[in-house]
Formats: sequence, C-alpha cells, structure tokens
Amino acid sequence: QSVLTQPPSVSAAPGQKVTISCSGSSSNIGNNYVSWYQQFPGTAPKLLIYDNTERPSGTPVRFSGSKSGTSATLGITGLQTGDEAEYYCGMWDSSLSLYVFGTGTKVTVL
Amino acid sequence: QVQLVESGGGVVQPGRSLRLSCATSGFIFTDYTLHWVRQAPGKGLEWVANILYDGSSRYYGDSVKGRFTISRDKSTNTVYLQMNSLKTEDTAVYYCVRDPQWLVPYFDYWGQGTLVTVSS
Repeated sequence: QSVLTQPPSVSAAPGQKVTISCSGSSSNIGNNYVSWYQQFPGTAPKLLIYDNTERPSGTPVRFSGSKSGTSATLGITGLQTGDEAEYYCGMWDSSLSLYVFGTGTKVTVL
Repeated sequence: QVQLVESGGGVVQPGRSLRLSCATSGFIFTDYTLHWVRQAPGKGLEWVANILYDGSSRYYGDSVKGRFTISRDKSTNTVYLQMNSLKTEDTAVYYCVRDPQWLVPYFDYWGQGTLVTVSS
C-alpha cells in the first residue's frame, strides 16, 4: 500500500497541458525532495525530475516539477503522443526509513 | 557509459531461495548508493532495499525485511540481492538502480530488469 497518492489517469489533447499530483504527508513530501519517473510499457523507468524541480540532461523543458506543503506536481506542456506513459513520484520517507513510490498515473493523449 | 546489468532471475518454488546480481560499470562504484526496485506484473513500482555507497548501512522494505539481504562487492563492482523464503507475491521484475545522493535519494540510472517468478 503506497503512502503517496496519484490520480490513476489523466488525459488531454496534443499540445495541451496536463498536471499529475502526488499527495503525501509531512514525513515524506513535507520534509524531503521529490523525484519523478516515466515508464513506457515493457521498459525500465527513466528519471524525469529530481530534487522537486531539477531536470537531468535529456529531460525536455516541457516537463516541470513543483512542490507545496505535502503535495508535489509534475507538469507536462505541449503534450505529445510520445508522452503516453506511466508516471511515478518517489521519495525517501524519513519516518519509515524507506523509499516510497506513488501509485502511478497513466497519461493518455487524446 | 553507465551500465547496470541484472542477472539471476528465473522460476523458483515458494519457500526456496534465489540470488540476483547486478554488474555495474562506467562509474566509480564506491561513490554510489545502490538500490533494488521491483514491479509485479501489471502493478506499480515497489522499493525493495538499498545499500550505502560504502556498505555501512542497509535498509529494507517492510515486505522483504528478514527474508532478503542486499550486499555489494567493490572488487567486482557488483551488487547482490539474496532472496530467501520466497513467496508468490515476490513475483516481479527486479531492477537495480543507482542513487547519486544517498541523503536525498533518487534513481538516475536503471538496469533493464530481471524477472523472478515464484510458482509451484
């Protein structure tokens, strides 16, 4: 049972914007840095965002991260068909001393 | 380039053991904390365990604590996951992942994964 809650799915037309929320608590999101991962079917996840807002080289600027209180958000602008994938948030939970992932969100481009 | 290559997966009966290996290359092994993350078929990601860059500390997920052991060998740049008393719910693809900042973990490189199937 994940301690980080994400919406099961979000969708939008090509070129539009979607946001994916990741809701946690003071022991995880509230006191630590969030990262985001993108996973296509049958492949390993890939790092998209780390330290709440940082993009590793290779992540397009269309992807952005933010955090406020005990929630984090991944934004995708200029949505493309190639963005259809599963997205997970993740972070270290200080009170549990373990890493936790969100429940995952499937992005569909209409 | 950074590479993490898992091996050792397969089909195993409940209650038996299996050891996964992750051969790494392309980076200074002793500078990085390493983790195992798994994904059951059709399910989300689940963190399994980690071992700090110097091997001084290890942490485990609740579902594997007491049954799995993570270790690392700096002479071969390999990280291991010894899995004992396997259960059907351990069936998953197991990924080896690199963590560049252990105090605030995130996973910048992932292996391709190895499938473990626990079934009688």
